[in-house]
Amino acid sequence: AQSVTQLGSHVSVSEGALVLLRCNYSSSVPPYLFWYVQYPNQGLQLLLKYTSAATLVKGINGFEAEFKKSETSFHLTKPSAHMSDAAEYFCAVIPSNDYKLSFGAGTTVTVRA
Amino acid sequence: DSGVTQTPKHLITATGQRVTLRCSPRSGDLSVYWYQQSLDQGLQFLIQYYNGEERAKGNILERFSAQQFPDLHSELNLSSLELGDSALYFCASSVGDSRGEAFFGQGTRLTVV
Repeated sequence: AQSVTQLGSHVSVSEGALVLLRCNYSSSVPPYLFWYVQYPNQGLQLLLKYTSAATLVKGINGFEAEFKKSETSFHLTKPSAHMSDAAEYFCAVIPSNDYKLSFGAGTTVTVRA
Repeated sequence: DSGVTQTPKHLITATGQRVTLRCSPRSGDLSVYWYQQSLDQGLQFLIQYYNGEERAKGNILERFSAQQFPDLHSELNLSSLELGDSALYFCASSVGDSRGEAFFGQGTRLTVV
């Protein structure tokens, strides 16, 4: 079975500062990994995905994530936070031989002016 | 706008009742996924249909059922409702077996009183 752990349910950053959201996964087979963002009163939107190609993955809105197999991590970063980045972020994993996507508990990001 | 349409947006019903949630996928998408988002359980995968056939089943209760019709829209039926079924129910769609990558609707907020 697979699982996802997101470290920190809330992260507060200043506008222009680095955003770092941590995600660790467990999977018995090589996983596919995802970051989704949920804005208030909206559905989820895919930010980026890792599917066994390049370990550094670039997504939309300036976000990127690095897959580190040795650390079973898939942390999400953005060099410079913008007010519009305030949202809830979900890390998700699916084993490469399965169809069931498992989400982490989510991290809420607030951006201070 | 993701192109996935869910109706109704809000639903309030009493315990013991039965409700039907409807989802219209993006044009051309063959797969439909249902997710439940609640404060205590987080985001949970319920079920996936691909071109009318059940593809994967997650943590879906026996009181819940779903189907995908020939026109590819899907319905999630929830019966014998309990207070704990109150949640946001998302539908997502993808062209094929996306293995985690999908476009989400805005959800149906179900309140059981």
